[in-house]
Amino acid sequence: EVQLVESGGGLVQPGRSLRLSCTGSGFTFGDYVISWVRQAPGKGLEWVGLIKSKAYGATTDYAASVKGRFSISRDDSKNIAYLQMSSLKTEDTAVYYCTIPLRPGFSSGPFDSWGQGTLVTVSS
Amino acid sequence: QSVLAQPPSASGTPGQRVTVSCSGSSSNIGSNTVNWYQQLPGTAPKLLIYSNNYRPSGVPDRFSGSKSGTSVSLAISGLQAEDEADYYCAAWDDSLNGWVFGAGTKLTVL
Repeated sequence: EVQLVESGGGLVQPGRSLRLSCTGSGFTFGDYVISWVRQAPGKGLEWVGLIKSKAYGATTDYAASVKGRFSISRDDSKNIAYLQMSSLKTEDTAVYYCTIPLRPGFSSGPFDSWGQGTLVTVSS
Repeated sequence: QSVLAQPPSASGTPGQRVTVSCSGSSSNIGSNTVNWYQQLPGTAPKLLIYSNNYRPSGVPDRFSGSKSGTSVSLAISGLQAEDEADYYCAAWDDSLNGWVFGAGTKLTVL
């Protein structure tokens, strides 16, 4: 069974950094694009960014709202993807989900399997 | 302001057919396929429809999707109480080089 588990969320002050982890199991982690999607309290879904598999250069793409502040990396030997968030703003407060597509390979979508999410609260 | 436009709410009675619309532009829906997600309260989103009109395994055939130009629709027939949820459309946007979501439609079963 495919499972994704996010961790690392919590309360952080504006301007500080936080690193989230996404641990996968039940699938060949290294073959999949890993995406991060967030949801502010009471709001809709917002794509944050993605990292492709090493077969496709482990390249990354980011939403304009986080580009230059967030970075995504992966350690396929540990089945973990990371979302490094820096210069955090109050508007980054959200539940952060990691997700993988229906099939391995080049495409990042559709988002088929999701983790349970981890809450990040940016507040002084 | 979401790139994809959805009505904020929709409603229907049990057994009815309800549709949820989603409109975009040539850089997203016009040139890429659309996926729909269902989110029950307090849970992670669930893939409902992909590539405009395909259902993942386990999704009832009461759910269907269609596309015309830069707009798509999600149809739910034989509405059930358990269908009460938020529904989101999503597509890749070639101009933004990223995924875009609609703001979501809250479906209420009366």
